[in-house]
Amino acid sequence: DIQMTQSPSSLSASVGDRVTITCQASQDISNYLNWYQQKPGKAPKLLIYDASNLETGVPSRFSGSGSGTDFTFTISSLQPEDIATYYCQQYDNLPRTFGQGTKVEIK
Amino acid sequence: EVQLVETGGGLIQPGGSLRLSCAASGFTVSSNYMSWVRQAPGKGLEWVSVIYSGGSTYYADSVKGRFTISRDNSKNTLYLQMNSLRAEDTAVYYCVRGGGIDWGQGTLVTVSS
Repeated sequence: DIQMTQSPSSLSASVGDRVTITCQASQDISNYLNWYQQKPGKAPKLLIYDASNLETGVPSRFSGSGSGTDFTFTISSLQPEDIATYYCQQYDNLPRTFGQGTKVEIK
Repeated sequence: EVQLVETGGGLIQPGGSLRLSCAASGFTVSSNYMSWVRQAPGKGLEWVSVIYSGGSTYYADSVKGRFTISRDNSKNTLYLQMNSLRAEDTAVYYCVRGGGIDWGQGTLVTVSS
């Protein structure tokens, strides 16, 4: 199975800050990576697919980059409504493994 | 509008069985690959199973031999038959369309005596 190592596990930032989350795959997954946002009590929401493509309707302050084994998810200017847990997921191979999640809080 | 509605969760004793349903609208289940993903209380997301449009199915090692994914094309509904349930199967179970674009609201399965 492909292991997805996501970091940090949590972070605290101020409104307007740039926030970066990384995800490392245990083997080359090309660009077969999703990023999700999950708010408490809600289902995950797809934000980024194919590592860097913004899903329709998702604000442009969210972005993704990377290929191979190293990926980055960025919120360019943190907003109060971005408080959530973020997950990466690879879909190069089955099982479709997720990162452990990053909980983003407001400082 | 795409909608996925999971039902069938509840409290079940260890060793018991449960069948989850995911009623879909706004698209055709049999034309998409459909997955189940679960989330234990306070934990992260875990991929469980997938069924492809051609009918091929795959499972996480943690549920292989105990869970069966299927669909009823006439009802446009996805299922997850869960047998020999264990405490560690306690989770919210989500059905997911395709590569993660659409998720249901989830149904809670609690395995406890």
